[in-house]
Amino acid sequence: GQNIDQPTEMTATEGAIVQINCTYQTSGFNGLFWYQQHAGEAPTFLSYNVLDGLEEKGRFSSFLSRSKGYSYLLLKELQMKDSASYLCAVLDSNYQLIWGAGTKLIIKP
Amino acid sequence: ETGVTQTPRHLVMGMTNKKSLKCEQHLGHNAMYWYKQSAKKPLELMFVYNFKEQTENNSVPSRFSPECPNSSHLFLHLHTLQPEDSALYLCASSQEGESYNEQFFGPGTRLTVL
Repeated sequence: GQNIDQPTEMTATEGAIVQINCTYQTSGFNGLFWYQQHAGEAPTFLSYNVLDGLEEKGRFSSFLSRSKGYSYLLLKELQMKDSASYLCAVLDSNYQLIWGAGTKLIIKP
Repeated sequence: ETGVTQTPRHLVMGMTNKKSLKCEQHLGHNAMYWYKQSAKKPLELMFVYNFKEQTENNSVPSRFSPECPNSSHLFLHLHTLQPEDSALYLCASSQEGESYNEQFFGPGTRLTVL
């Protein structure tokens, strides 16, 4: 079966750095997405990785290792507004998105 | 502003009611999706429409009935639902054929079935 694993909840301090991990087992791979979802709002696109390595976009970076079936989302200089759920999703061989359950990130002052 | 709107935002219905959820996308996309989001569970893909044709139906019970009259509008008709159908229902759209098919989501309809 297809599976995406990510931690259920993480807590971090304002101004710090946090890394949210995602591991996947899917039938084929055509890229990995990270989405951010604030409570009661729509998920919004953060990043897409299809090649190994690190993609940096401001305070957010996303890393992919296809051989290990592993990705992480790195958030730097955390702000209170970063409190949200972070969803990992993989595009499988049929170009269907397989979603993780999301990681709820709590930022404390 | 994501360019995808959904109405209503909240809906409470009894098990014998019939209601419809509406989604509209203003992005010129050719694919639209219905997802179910339950607490602490992955997003569940329910239906996919590509160029108004249904291409996916992931074993969804017949009490959920989708309708896609054109590439900008998507409906989900609900009847004789069960309490376990209470969830957030998200609509999304994308442009098939793009390099990585980013999906744009609406704000969702919070459905409660009594």
